[in-house]
Amino acid sequence: QQQVRQSPQSLTVWEGETAILNCSYENSAFDYFPWYQQFPGEGPALLIAIRSVSDKKEDGRFTIFFNKREKKLSLHITDSQPGDSATYFCAAKSSSGSWQLIFGSGTQLTVMP
Amino acid sequence: EAAVTQSPRSKVAVTGGKVTLSCHQTNNHDYMYWYRQDTGHGLRLIHYSYVADSTEKGDIPDGYKASRPSQENFSLILELASLSQTAVYFCASTDRGSNERLFFGHGTKLSVL
Repeated sequence: QQQVRQSPQSLTVWEGETAILNCSYENSAFDYFPWYQQFPGEGPALLIAIRSVSDKKEDGRFTIFFNKREKKLSLHITDSQPGDSATYFCAAKSSSGSWQLIFGSGTQLTVMP
Repeated sequence: EAAVTQSPRSKVAVTGGKVTLSCHQTNNHDYMYWYRQDTGHGLRLIHYSYVADSTEKGDIPDGYKASRPSQENFSLILELASLSQTAVYFCASTDRGSNERLFFGHGTKLSVL
C-alpha cells in the first residue's frame, strides 16, 4: 500500500519556466511533509517542509502548496534552472503514533537550458 | 552540516555471498536508518536503530540484518546476497529531539551477480 504518491514520474521544463510536482497522501494523521532533493550519485537532502497547519511554505524559488481537505500538496519551482535538475521526493509523517517518514516514489525533474 | 559516511561507495557481490555495508556518522545523532532505493519505489526502510546495541525492523527487513555497535556506527548485513538485493542503499541519521530532518550518506550501489 503506497501511502504517499507522486506525479508525474518525470518532468521536463525549459529554463525559466515553473515546474510543478504533485504529491498526495492517504493517512489523515500525517501532519509534516518534507520534500527532499536528490542529485545523481548523492543522497537525498531536505529542501523544504510544511506542517499541516499551514497552506503555503515559501523558500526562495521553492514553494509548497498544501490542501488538507483533498490530502494533496505540490512543490512549485519558479524560474527553473538547469541546476535544479534532480529527483524530488515528497514524504510524510505523523507527529503522533508512528514516527516513520514515508517517502513517495519521486519525480525526476530535468530543466533544459 | 551533518556528516554521514558510507562504505564502500559501490560493491559487486556474488549470489549467496555475505555483504556488509558500513555507515559512520559524526553528528552525535541517536537515530540511524538504512534505506533501499529502487527505481519506481522511492526509499524503503530496512532497519533502524534508536540506540547503540539495539536495532529494529523497518518495512522490508527480510534478507537483511543490522548491527549498531556504537552510536556512530551502523552496519547492514546481507548474509546470503540475492539478485533481488541489487539496489542503492542509503544510511541516514537524525537527532532525537528533531526526528524530522534526515541526513543521508552518499549511498552504496550494490550489484549482486
